[in-house]
Amino acid sequence: QVQLVQSGAEVRMPGASVKLSCKASGYSFTGYFMHWVRQAPGQGLEWMGWINPSRGVTNTAQKFQDRVTMTRDTAVNTAYMELSRVRGDDTAVYYCARGTYGASDFWGQGTLVTVS
Amino acid sequence: QSVLTQPPSASGTPGQRVTISCSGSSSNIGSNTVSWYHQLPGTAPKLLIYNNDQRPSGVPDRFSGSKSGTSASLAISGLQSEDEADYHCAAWDDSLNEGLFGGGTKLTVL
Repeated sequence: QVQLVQSGAEVRMPGASVKLSCKASGYSFTGYFMHWVRQAPGQGLEWMGWINPSRGVTNTAQKFQDRVTMTRDTAVNTAYMELSRVRGDDTAVYYCARGTYGASDFWGQGTLVTVS
Repeated sequence: QSVLTQPPSASGTPGQRVTISCSGSSSNIGSNTVSWYHQLPGTAPKLLIYNNDQRPSGVPDRFSGSKSGTSASLAISGLQSEDEADYHCAAWDDSLNEGLFGGGTKLTVL
C-alpha cells in the first residue's frame, strides 16, 4: 500500500535551516509528483511547491522561492524539503503529498517544525 | 487571505444535507479541476473529491462535488457525526503557477 513516512519533529532557532524528509513506499516513486504543503497552528493549508522525482525538476511558490529547496534521492525513494532562514511564522506542520490528477491522493503524517 | 474563498464554518443535523462552497477566479477554478480534502484535528488531510466530482475508492457516495464557472461545491448528504471535520478545497492557478487552497470550512454536526 502507498505510504509516505515523514521525519520527526524539529525545533530550530530563528535564522537556522531545517531539512525534512518524506520516504515513499508502495508505488513507483518516480512516477508521481511530490507536493509540500504546510499548516500553521489553527490555520488553513498552504501549498509550498512540488518536485518531479523523475527529473528533479521543481516548482516553488513565489513566497518561498528564496528559502525553499526541494530535492530527492531516487535510490532511497525519498523527497526532501529544506527551509532556510526560518522565523516564527514558519512554525507549522509540514506535509508531503503525492500528486495525481490535479490533486494529492496520499499524504504523509506531517512533521511539526517549531521555531523558537 | 486565501485566493480560494470558503465559508469559515457550516453546520447541520444528522441526516441533513449540507453544502460547502469554494469561490475562485478564471485563472484557478475557472481553468482547472477542483479537489476537496477532509481533515480531522491532529491528522493529515485526506482526499475526498478530485477532478471536480470524482470520488477516490473508499469515499462514500454521500460525498459529491460539482463545479460551475469559477465556483465549486462539496455536498454531504445523510450527515453523520463522524463528518464533523475541516474541509478544504484546492485548485491550480495558471496565472500564479501555484497550487491554491481555500481557507477551510469547519463543519459542525449539531
